[in-house]
Amino acid sequence: AQSVTQLDSQVPVFEEAPVELRCNYSSSVSVYLFWYVQYPNQGLQLLLKYLSGSTLVKGINGFEAEFNKSQTSFHLRKPSVHISDTAEYFCAVSITDYKLSFGAGTTVTVRA
Amino acid sequence: DAGVTQSPTHLIKTRGQQVTLRCSPKSGHDTVSWYQQALGQGPQFIFQYYEEEERQRGNFPDRFSGHQFPNYSSELNVNALLLGDSALYLCASTQAGVLTEAFFGQGTRLTVV
Repeated sequence: AQSVTQLDSQVPVFEEAPVELRCNYSSSVSVYLFWYVQYPNQGLQLLLKYLSGSTLVKGINGFEAEFNKSQTSFHLRKPSVHISDTAEYFCAVSITDYKLSFGAGTTVTVRA
Repeated sequence: DAGVTQSPTHLIKTRGQQVTLRCSPKSGHDTVSWYQQALGQGPQFIFQYYEEEERQRGNFPDRFSGHQFPNYSSELNVNALLLGDSALYLCASTQAGVLTEAFFGQGTRLTVV
């Protein structure tokens, strides 16, 4: 079975500063990896995904993530955050037809 | 193009009651999955429906059941509600066999009192 660990439960960051959200996974087979964002009282929106190919994945809203197979990681980064990036971020893994296994989430709070 | 729609948005039930949540998938999608997201946690997979049958199931008791209709919409039923069933219930749709992302609805917030 696959599992996901998000290493930071809360990340406070100042506006226009960079941010990195860490995600490690465990699986005995190849996986697909995803980052989702959840704004208050809303569902999940896909930021980016890794299915195969280039290990650097670019997503929406200026986010990017790098897949590192040797370290079983899929860290999310943004070079300059905005107040509107305040949200909950979830890393997820799948080895089948979109049965997603999610991490516990990282709360990002952007301060002016 | 409407995305994934869920109803109702909020619901309050009493312990022991039964509840039915509804989901309409994104146009062109034929697979519906249900997730439970407890407060402060990540979503947990309940089950997935494809071609009107339950195809995969997570670690949830039989009190949780579902159905998929010929138009691909789906229902989640929970019997004998417990306080611990209070959560945000998310529906996600995909197109089977196609490598695209799962589209999520806004969720139904269930409170059991």
